[in-house]
Amino acid sequence: NAGVTQTPKFRILKIGQSMTLQCTQDMNHNYMYWYRQDPGMGLKLIYYSVGAGITDKGEVPNGYNVSRSTTEDFPLRLELAAPSQTSVYFCASSYVDYGIQGTGYTFGSGTRLTVV
Amino acid sequence: AQSVTQPDIHITVSEGASLELRCNYSYGATPYLFWYVQSPGQGLQLLLKYFSGDTLVQGIKGFEAEFKRSQSSFNLRKPSVHWSDAAEYFCAAIEAGNMLTFGGGTRLMVKP
Repeated sequence: NAGVTQTPKFRILKIGQSMTLQCTQDMNHNYMYWYRQDPGMGLKLIYYSVGAGITDKGEVPNGYNVSRSTTEDFPLRLELAAPSQTSVYFCASSYVDYGIQGTGYTFGSGTRLTVV
Repeated sequence: AQSVTQPDIHITVSEGASLELRCNYSYGATPYLFWYVQSPGQGLQLLLKYFSGDTLVQGIKGFEAEFKRSQSSFNLRKPSVHWSDAAEYFCAAIEAGNMLTFGGGTRLMVKP
């Protein structure tokens, strides 16, 4: 099925470890986003990309890095995991205009990360 | 600062009863407005959106929302709730050139 695919679905990390959350979309969307979701806080934007080779910080970028070498892929990297990064992470994509046109953002099913 | 507020963290309704979920926004101008639903373990699905025009917007799954400029609100409604509507609902807003901003979410529970 077309859409946004995230892997892994669950992960437990020890403090100081690193990992990459993978995100792939097959809808040829230009824009891709990473959000984290914490209880009662809604979704906060970590990083976004408006096209291959272009990325920018969102509201809560500290402790994360991204790259966008292709239109399809937008991995999120955690270099030194901290307990504050325990969260559910969502990748999303959209056509131009930040999702105003068409169907808005398409979300992946999320990655639940626990840092212990 | 731009913000979206959902005053109710949890709401419980009986199956068949009507539902209203509240959403208020704080923007300099009227933003574009959205409602998303998140079922357990799933990503977010778009229910409906408001860009301009008619202030009553119809969405999927029998939901509708009403935009009220005077109250800076965009409340989500459903006349008769089904058990399958139990989920978390997010209101979101965006201004052109900026990023989508989400409210904190409202978790809906449905009693049989």
